[in-house]
Amino acid sequence: SQTIHQWPATLVQPVGSPLSLECTVEGTSNPNLYWYRQAAGRGLQLLFYSVGIGQISSEVPQNLSASRPQDRQFILSSKKLLLSDSGFYLCAWSVGGTYGYTFGSGTRLTVV
Amino acid sequence: TQLLEQSPQFLSIQEGENLTVYCNSSSVFSSLQWYRQEPGEGPVLLVTVVTGGEVKKLKRLTFQFGDARKDSSLHITAAQPGDTGLYLCAGEEQGSTLGRLYFGRGTQLTVWP
Repeated sequence: SQTIHQWPATLVQPVGSPLSLECTVEGTSNPNLYWYRQAAGRGLQLLFYSVGIGQISSEVPQNLSASRPQDRQFILSSKKLLLSDSGFYLCAWSVGGTYGYTFGSGTRLTVV
Repeated sequence: TQLLEQSPQFLSIQEGENLTVYCNSSSVFSSLQWYRQEPGEGPVLLVTVVTGGEVKKLKRLTFQFGDARKDSSLHITAAQPGDTGLYLCAGEEQGSTLGRLYFGRGTQLTVWP
């Protein structure tokens, strides 16, 4: 069966520090991968998506970047965090929109 | 601008009541999905509808896709406290080849015992 792992679950980082959030998928090949941010338990803002290794599309200009070094690994990074980067970050995978997304359990990031 | 508009944003009801949540758009979707999210967790897929006019039932939950595939509704019968959560609709825009979903802002449902 397919599973998705996202870590860490919570993170408190000072302003200006780097960030690396990792997401891995098991049990499927060549998935579409997504990073979302959710503010205050509301709607999801798409940050990045990837349809293959090394292929990253960015939805909004921001202080973050993403990479896909392996087929089932998706990494969200920042060189210097801002206060506004605080939020709930969710990784998801799919094999096509019609089949739905499977989300990870999320990372609560607080920048202080 | 938000591609999918959900209403209401908040809903607080007593156990046993019925409710309907709406998801509307001016765009046509090849599929539309509903998710439920609990605090501190990722959203979980409840259902996918793909055919205009389609109705799907999941126990006390009834999902409907509009005939023109631009809107959807979620109806819960005899709500229970366990139904509490954030309900999100999401649509795959017609013609999309990337599998990208557009999410609504969500409806926060609270069911009181």
